[in-house]
Amino acid sequence: NAGVTQTPKFRILKIGQSMTLQCAQDMNHNYMYWYRQDPGMGLKLIYYSVGAGITDKGEVPNGYNVSRSTTEDFPLRLELAAPSQTSVYFCASTLDRERSPLHFGNGTRLTVT
Amino acid sequence: AQKITQTQPGMFVQEKEAVTLDCTYDTSDPSYGLFWYKQPSSGEMIFLIYQGSYDQQNATEGRYSLNFQKARKSANLVISASQLGDSAMYFCAMREALNSGYALNFGKGTSLLVTP
Repeated sequence: NAGVTQTPKFRILKIGQSMTLQCAQDMNHNYMYWYRQDPGMGLKLIYYSVGAGITDKGEVPNGYNVSRSTTEDFPLRLELAAPSQTSVYFCASTLDRERSPLHFGNGTRLTVT
Repeated sequence: AQKITQTQPGMFVQEKEAVTLDCTYDTSDPSYGLFWYKQPSSGEMIFLIYQGSYDQQNATEGRYSLNFQKARKSANLVISASQLGDSAMYFCAMREALNSGYALNFGKGTSLLVTP
């Protein structure tokens, strides 16, 4: 199993550009998440999904959109990139079980200049 | 809303010694779960250990154990016999119920440096 795969690993965007961060998991997990991590901070939840076709906002959703058309994929869309979106983005997935930990991808380091 | 507090921004420990990383939490839910993750300098998030609020015993996983004090709302991570490879950021997180599911709510983390 590859686990949770995120692409790209690094990206530099200009202000106002758009991009999609890709996330795929092969563990048949129903729950998927996008978090962002700013320097010296913990992870903040952007969006989450409890299954195909179901998504909901987390703590910091502004400037982002998601979709979940399949169990495996959960892309994160940035529209009109802003410097405040410079961060490391993590995708994660888990089973809907109380003791199940989140399995994380390796992250995407995004810089908006 | 739940809150996770890690008050130690940085910790030092000598190789082979034990170290405790603090985590306090605030929740009104009687049932909850606490997770610890390690983030080395390479950036990946590695799950270490889980403690459920109704677990009869403190969790242990190899050199990792939890000092879980429910009445004090603390779930401190104890790393025994520290190794140089333990140098990393450590995050405490709590399972949090959301509108249509749940997620993990993370603390700000503690940086651990293990010295020879």
